Amino acid sequence: GENVEQHPSTLSVQEGDSAVIKCTYSDSASNYFPWYKQELGKRPQLIIDIRSNVGEKKDQRIAVTLNKTAKHFSLHITETQPEDSAVYFCALGGSYIPTFGRGTSLIVHP
Amino acid sequence: DGGITQSPKYLFRKEGQNVTLSCEQNLNHDAMYWYRQDPGQGLRLIYYSQIVNDFQKGDIAEGYSVSREKKESFPLTVTSAQKNPTAFYLCASSMGTGAQETQYFGPGTRLLVL
Repeated sequence: GENVEQHPSTLSVQEGDSAVIKCTYSDSASNYFPWYKQELGKRPQLIIDIRSNVGEKKDQRIAVTLNKTAKHFSLHITETQPEDSAVYFCALGGSYIPTFGRGTSLIVHP
Repeated sequence: DGGITQSPKYLFRKEGQNVTLSCEQNLNHDAMYWYRQDPGQGLRLIYYSQIVNDFQKGDIAEGYSVSREKKESFPLTVTSAQKNPTAFYLCASSMGTGAQETQYFGPGTRLLVL
C-alpha cells in the first residue's frame, strides 16, 4: 500500500511560537492530503485538507502546504496556544483507502 | 461529530472470549472503517467496507471479523485468536468509497484484557 512518513514524532514549543509538521510520501497518484487532530482520549477530527491542484491552504492560524514534485506536505500552526496541544495525523488519499502517518504529539507550554 | 457512535466506551475481555464492538452512523455514508490505535503506532486499518454486504481486510485483520448487513452498522468482533487485543478501537465513516473523502470518527472503544 501507500506509505507516508511523518516527522517529528514529538514537538514541544512555547506558547506563541510556530509549529511545523511534515509528511513525505512515495505514491505520485496521491491527490488528497488531510490533517487530523486528536486531543487526549478523544476522536481524531479533520482540521484542514488540501487537494493536488492547490499548493497552499489557510484557515486562521493553521495552514497546509503541498509540494507534489518533492512529494511532501506540511502543517503549519502559528501563534500556538495551549489548546493546540494534541496528536496530529497526516493522511494520504488516492486509492480506495487512506493511509495515516504515525502522528506527531504537539505540546504547547504556557 | 455526532453522527457516528461507538459502544461500549470500555470493554473487558477474558481469555478465550470473543467480544463485539458496535459502530453505528446516521450520516448516510457508504464507506465504514475500523482502526486500531496503540501508543506511538498511529492508526492501523483492520477492516473496511465500501458498500453493504461487502468488506475487505486491512493491514491487521488477523484475529478480527466484521459484518455489514446494514448501511448504518459495521460491528467488529475481536476473536480469541487475537492474542494482544488491548488497544483503542476507532470506527470511521466517509461519504464516498474512495480515499479522497474526509473520515468521520466515532468516540472510540477502549478494550482491556482481564
